[in-house]
Amino acid sequence: KAGVTQTPRYLIKTRGQQVTLSCSPISGHRSVSWYQQTPGQGLQFLFEYFSETQRNKGNFPGRFSGRQFSNSRSEMNVSTLELGDSALYLCASSFTSYEQYFGPGTRLTVT
Amino acid sequence: QKEVEQDPGPLSVPEGAIVSLNCTYSNSAFQYFMWYRQYSRKGPELLMYTYSSGNKEDGRFTAQVDKSSKYISLFIRDSQPSDSATYLCAIPGYNNNDMRFGAGTRLTVKP
Repeated sequence: KAGVTQTPRYLIKTRGQQVTLSCSPISGHRSVSWYQQTPGQGLQFLFEYFSETQRNKGNFPGRFSGRQFSNSRSEMNVSTLELGDSALYLCASSFTSYEQYFGPGTRLTVT
Repeated sequence: QKEVEQDPGPLSVPEGAIVSLNCTYSNSAFQYFMWYRQYSRKGPELLMYTYSSGNKEDGRFTAQVDKSSKYISLFIRDSQPSDSATYLCAIPGYNNNDMRFGAGTRLTVKP
């Protein structure tokens, strides 16, 4: 079975720009969660989508948003990028609630 | 106080050693306890998980939960250089998919 895929793998953006990251879950998985990983804060939960609906949301500003499509693929968007948004953004898919499988991540650098 | 605390290390051991990795958590309502392994420049990989108290063994890996002291452990027997990675404990939150991660312990196994 193919794993979780994320595109692009690397991205460099300028402060103030916006960015869209994409995630394709494991076939059959309907839940997709997004996380931000930084050296200082570690892995932090952003939000989770299930059947095209946001089911949970972490403590991040409204500049961070996401959506899920009918084929379970998901995108996350960050608007008005800040230097502090530089991080590894990880997507995880799951069939059961707690058994999550992560993709390789998208490394975003904001300059 | 963070919900999940984990000593970030780093931890360096000789090949063949028994490794003990530990986390503490604050909320006694948590029921599932996960361990992930993350190699450099990769996404976290689910190693194993336990439900409630007790032990679970998978090859050289043993996960242990002590709910009375809110303490979780991962033991690695006969450690190998290929075990060198960051190990993260994680606990699903109330909504199951909003995973709370420890800071991660960076382990190096020297040949």
